[in-house]
Amino acid sequence: QKEVEQDPGPLSVPEGAIVSLNCTYSNSAFQYFMWYRQYSRKGPELLMYTYSSGNKEDGRFTAQVDKSSKYISLFIRDSQPSDSATYLCAMKGAGNNRKLIWGLGTSLAVNP
Amino acid sequence: GAVVSQHPSRVICKSGTSVKIECRSLDFQATTMFWYRQFPKKSLMLMATSNEGSKATYEQGVEKDKFLINHASLTLSTLTVTSAHPEDSSFYICSATENQETQYFGPGTRLLVL
Repeated sequence: QKEVEQDPGPLSVPEGAIVSLNCTYSNSAFQYFMWYRQYSRKGPELLMYTYSSGNKEDGRFTAQVDKSSKYISLFIRDSQPSDSATYLCAMKGAGNNRKLIWGLGTSLAVNP
Repeated sequence: GAVVSQHPSRVICKSGTSVKIECRSLDFQATTMFWYRQFPKKSLMLMATSNEGSKATYEQGVEKDKFLINHASLTLSTLTVTSAHPEDSSFYICSATENQETQYFGPGTRLLVL
């Protein structure tokens, strides 16, 4: 079993839809959770960073963490064609361990 | 803020030559930099972690003599692919962190070895 599981998709939605992206993990030591967006042939861009269970909102993006279920989500409201990209979840433990453990990434296409 | 640059963005070289890729943190001091490799439609694979002024820590299966990493200052790390072969063709991405919590990524370097 991989430490982080993420459905690679592809996921295709119409413009304006609410998008739900998810990752599950098996290591209860993970304390920090991130979502990155990666456009084709570009480096990943940090979207959201959370370290506690619950919701964190930033504009059209909401990150949700459920540590009891080992499950994290990223919601995108009013999705736009410019949101079409690959979304990667990443997480790491506390302390001096700076290595990120990555999901495979979910490919999202928002159709106008 | 938190801008990381990489140079070159794309490089084509002949088999057997060496290629150097630079990673710079433009507006912060990066205590740690990371080098990743990414194959098409695959996730990021960590190659090594480098701290300023010390030797890099390589992940299992990554040849340290093949992929030379130097982190000479708090804003610059370099990755040199020595004696490159076609199988080294890939997308190489660096990231940098200031506070050990969040990593900011460069735009990546596409290497093609003929």
